[in-house]
Amino acid sequence: GNSVTQMEGPVTLSEEAFLTINCTYTATGYPSLFWYVQYPGEGLQLLLKATKADDKGSNKGFEATYRKETTSFHLEKGSVQVSDSAVYFCALREQGGSEKLVFGKGMKLTVNP
Amino acid sequence: DSGVTQTPKHLITATGQRVTLRCSPRSGDLSVYWYQQSLDQGLQFLIQYYNGEERAKGNILERFSAQQFPDLHSELNLSSLELGDSALYFCASSVGTGTYGYTFGSGTRLTVV
Repeated sequence: GNSVTQMEGPVTLSEEAFLTINCTYTATGYPSLFWYVQYPGEGLQLLLKATKADDKGSNKGFEATYRKETTSFHLEKGSVQVSDSAVYFCALREQGGSEKLVFGKGMKLTVNP
Repeated sequence: DSGVTQTPKHLITATGQRVTLRCSPRSGDLSVYWYQQSLDQGLQFLIQYYNGEERAKGNILERFSAQQFPDLHSELNLSSLELGDSALYFCASSVGTGTYGYTFGSGTRLTVV
């Protein structure tokens, strides 16, 4: 079946550090790919998405590029802030049937001032 | 406020009991998805309804059931509760089948004691 594998952490960075969270997927066809963020005590919020190969999603300084050849969707940010402390989930949207989201296990990021 | 409303926010109950979690989707959304988030299993898809009809089932136990009503709100019923059912239960909604994205509620935290 479809699956998502991502770095699990936890990871602690200093403010203004560079962030990369690796995400790879296994799926049939060409799924849409997403990054969701969960702040403490809150639900999941869509951070960015990409629907086809070579698409780049971007939002709030975060970027991720849909790489079909490596089945990857790595999340990057050039300079993290304390407010970026959260849990980050990579997910794919299955094609056909329910089109439900399949999530990775999530990675907790803490950014220290 | 994401537009998806889940009640209650917190629920503490004893083993063997039955509870009902409620979800009101974002206005105009026809699909409702239920997910369970636990520390060991991560985010697991439970079930999806589309316009009142069950569309897909995931890792939902037989002790669990759900329905979507004519006004499109959904309820997840959990019975014969066990300690291992303690988790965060999320509801998400989408217009159709997620092409334009999913909106998550803030979740119901269930604690079984």
